[in-house]
Amino acid sequence: GQQVMQIPQYQHVQEGEDFTTYCNSSTTLSNIQWYKQRPGGHPVFLIQLVKSGEVKKQKRLTFQFGEAKKNSSLHITATQTTDVGTYFCAGTNNTNAGKSTFGDGTTLTVKP
Amino acid sequence: GAVVSQHPSRVICKSGTSVKIECRSLDFQATTMFWYRQFPKQSLMLMATSNEGSKATYEQGVEKDKFLINHASLTLSTLTVTSAHPEDSSFYICSARDSLNSPLHFGNGTRLTVT
Repeated sequence: GQQVMQIPQYQHVQEGEDFTTYCNSSTTLSNIQWYKQRPGGHPVFLIQLVKSGEVKKQKRLTFQFGEAKKNSSLHITATQTTDVGTYFCAGTNNTNAGKSTFGDGTTLTVKP
Repeated sequence: GAVVSQHPSRVICKSGTSVKIECRSLDFQATTMFWYRQFPKQSLMLMATSNEGSKATYEQGVEKDKFLINHASLTLSTLTVTSAHPEDSSFYICSARDSLNSPLHFGNGTRLTVT
């Protein structure tokens, strides 16, 4: 079945440093979404990428979707303590009943 | 934006009892809802796909008689954990989307503790 691998599992950074998490799917995706989950909370939708090679920005966050629509990345510039949490990618293949497969998540901690 | 309401947020029950969790889409119709289970510091594991007006589709390894799913309307899906045991203690989260190509909107989750 479809697998989505996400690395790294954990990332510890000093406030102000950059951070990147990567997702790779075993199959071509229809779209990919990114979510952020704070400790004790539920996943919150950040963004969806649909087009091959798409790049979207949200303030300090940059999201990319690979040309082959099998990989994606989330990059945070100049991290802040408010960025702490676990970031999940979720790949959707519309031929698979629209189910989304989640990566294992990258947990980001930021040292002030 | 799309809102998904999940209740209860926290429940503690005794071993052998059943617990029902509700998931409602408040401002959109969801023909499909998804139920996930999340263990501490782990990812979301899809348990089943809840389809309005038909039987749920369960993922491999998920006991359908243990986790009963009912999708009675376009805005409500319920998950009942039957004869709960301590190993069923977990964080259960529902999600829904209003169309095939739209992102998932998650409920706040239910933390189930079985004593």
